Amino acid sequence: QVHLVESGGGVVQPGRSLRLSCVVSGFTFSTYAMHWLREAPGKGLEWVAVISYDGRKKFYADSVKGRFTISRDNSKNTVYLQMNDLRVEDTAIYYCAKDCCSGQEGWGPGNWGQGTLVTVSS
Amino acid sequence: DIVMTQTPLSSPVTLGQPASISCRSSQSLVHSDGNTYLTWLQQRPGQPPRLLIYTVSNRFSGVPDRFSGSGAGTDFTLKISRVEAEDVGLYYCMQVTQTPYTFGQGTKLEIK
Repeated sequence: QVHLVESGGGVVQPGRSLRLSCVVSGFTFSTYAMHWLREAPGKGLEWVAVISYDGRKKFYADSVKGRFTISRDNSKNTVYLQMNDLRVEDTAIYYCAKDCCSGQEGWGPGNWGQGTLVTVSS
Repeated sequence: DIVMTQTPLSSPVTLGQPASISCRSSQSLVHSDGNTYLTWLQQRPGQPPRLLIYTVSNRFSGVPDRFSGSGAGTDFTLKISRVEAEDVGLYYCMQVTQTPYTFGQGTKLEIK
């Protein structure tokens, strides 16, 4: 059974950094692309980043490019999201998701975790 | 960026009756590899989103066959053949053809 568990969320001041982790189980992690997505309060879903199965390809939303970095450790079945220079508008529930079908850029976020809340506030 | 537009934004339906949600993209979602990477997701109240459909019409694992997707190019549709109480929630289309990947605004499905 596919299982994803995010951690690392919390309350942080604007301009500070936070690193999210997502530990997965139930599938061969090293063969799938992984996504991070978010849901701001009262708003819709926003895709944040994707990383290929081997970590060589990474793509980002315009809103986080240059501030966030996605990475993975296939030996630990974990994907990370390093978030720097956080802004109030980054406040959201952050979800990691296993791509449904592919190891490359992705075919779509298949299985999702429960999410971790990040609040950016002074 | 590709803009995804859903209609309607709210859809009251009667239990047992069909429902349909449309999604239009600002440019063709046909990838250079020939696939069309249009997905549909459901978000029940208080829960994380769940993938229903990928590449326009393929049901994801565990998705009931009352959900179906269709369309091509820039126009896509999600259909529920007979709405059940557990189908209440938000539905999103999402394009995964070109980064940055983008979502529609969401359609709220509710029971009349």
